Parts: sequence; structure tokens; C-alpha cells
Amino acid sequence: GAVVSQHPSRVICKSGTSVKIECRSLDFQATTMFWYRQFPKQSLMLMATSNEGSKATYEQGVEKDKFLINHASLTLSTLTVTSAHPEDSSFYICSATGTGESYNEQFFGPGTRLTVL
Amino acid sequence: GNSVTQMEGPVTLSEEAFLTINCTYTATGYPSLFWYVQYPGEGLQLLLKATKADDKGSNKGFEATYRKETTSFHLEKGSVQVSDSAVYFCALNNQGGKLIFGQGTELSVKP
Repeated sequence: GAVVSQHPSRVICKSGTSVKIECRSLDFQATTMFWYRQFPKQSLMLMATSNEGSKATYEQGVEKDKFLINHASLTLSTLTVTSAHPEDSSFYICSATGTGESYNEQFFGPGTRLTVL
Repeated sequence: GNSVTQMEGPVTLSEEAFLTINCTYTATGYPSLFWYVQYPGEGLQLLLKATKADDKGSNKGFEATYRKETTSFHLEKGSVQVSDSAVYFCALNNQGGKLIFGQGTELSVKP
């Protein structure tokens, strides 16, 4: 089946620094990637949708200047949390859809646990 | 708008008990319906799906039937195991490829 990886799996950083999270589709071309945020014991909140080669579409209430998303290739999308603060601490999950059999189904990465001190 | 409602958890069962997690939805058009499972500290895994009315999705002993007349997609398993302990999310995928998730239901299975 389609595999999506994320790196790093967990990261701890100081307040004010920026953190980059990578999302890769390992065995298919991801035409669309999604970034979610999940708080403890809560559901996933969609942050943004990115299509390869174009700007990401952010959900209402998500600061695009704080959460920079780049989808430069068909296998890689990155989420950069700029000037991170403790309230940005969360579990970030990406997913990807592709073409053919992987169209219309999202394949999820294992998630990245971000802790901002 | 589109929405998914799941029964609240946590649900605690003994091993080999019967499981039902209710899920109902509101959507325009004809969405695809999904159940995802999330084990502690991990991302989501697709458990099963159904793309049209009366379809039954099944996997690993879990089943769910797409009921258009009741707008439901309840998850069932005849005999749960300790290893089934996880959080289960019902979701729909309608237009634009976005998934709309329910709030999740935590299942705890005791030996």
C-alpha cells in the first residue's frame, strides 16, 4: 500500500525558533498533501491543503505566515512552524493523495510531536 | 455543511465482547465514508471504507455498512481483542478531497 513518512517523529525546541517538518510519499506521487494538527484526546484539525507546485490553501483561522507550507515536488511537502511558542506544541500529521488507485483516499504519515519550551 | 458525529468515549469492553461505535453524518451529495484507527502516539491508519450506499467495508474483523437512509456508518466487531484498544475516527470525503472527521472514540479492551 501507499506509504507516507514524516521526519522528525518528535522535536523539542526553544520558544522563538523555527521548526521544519517533512512529509514524504515513499511509493507514489502525491499530487495533494494535507497538514493536520491534533491536540490531546481531540480530533484532527485540517490546517492546509497543498498541491504540488502551487501555494497552499489554508483553513480559516490558520496563520499562513506562521505555518509555512511548501510542496515543491510530487513526493515532498514541508511544514515550517516559524517563531514557535508553547501554544504551538501539538501533534502534526500529514496525509497525501495521488493518482490512480491512490486518488480520493488519503494516506497518513505517522505524525510529528512538537514540544516548544 | 458536512459533519460527522460519533458516539462519545471512552468505551471500555472485556475481551471477546461485541463492539459497536455509532457514526452518523450530514453531507451534500454522495460522500465516501471511512473508519480510521489511531494507536497511541501514531498517525492514522485506514481501517475500512465504503464509497456508495449499501456498501459494506470490512477489515480485520471490523465491519461498517453505508446506510444512506439513516445517514449512518456504524462500526462493529463481533469479538474485540486487547490489541484493538485505540482511538477510532469516522470520516467522510465529499468534494475537494477533504476529510471531515468525527471527534474520535477511544476504545479500551480489558483482558
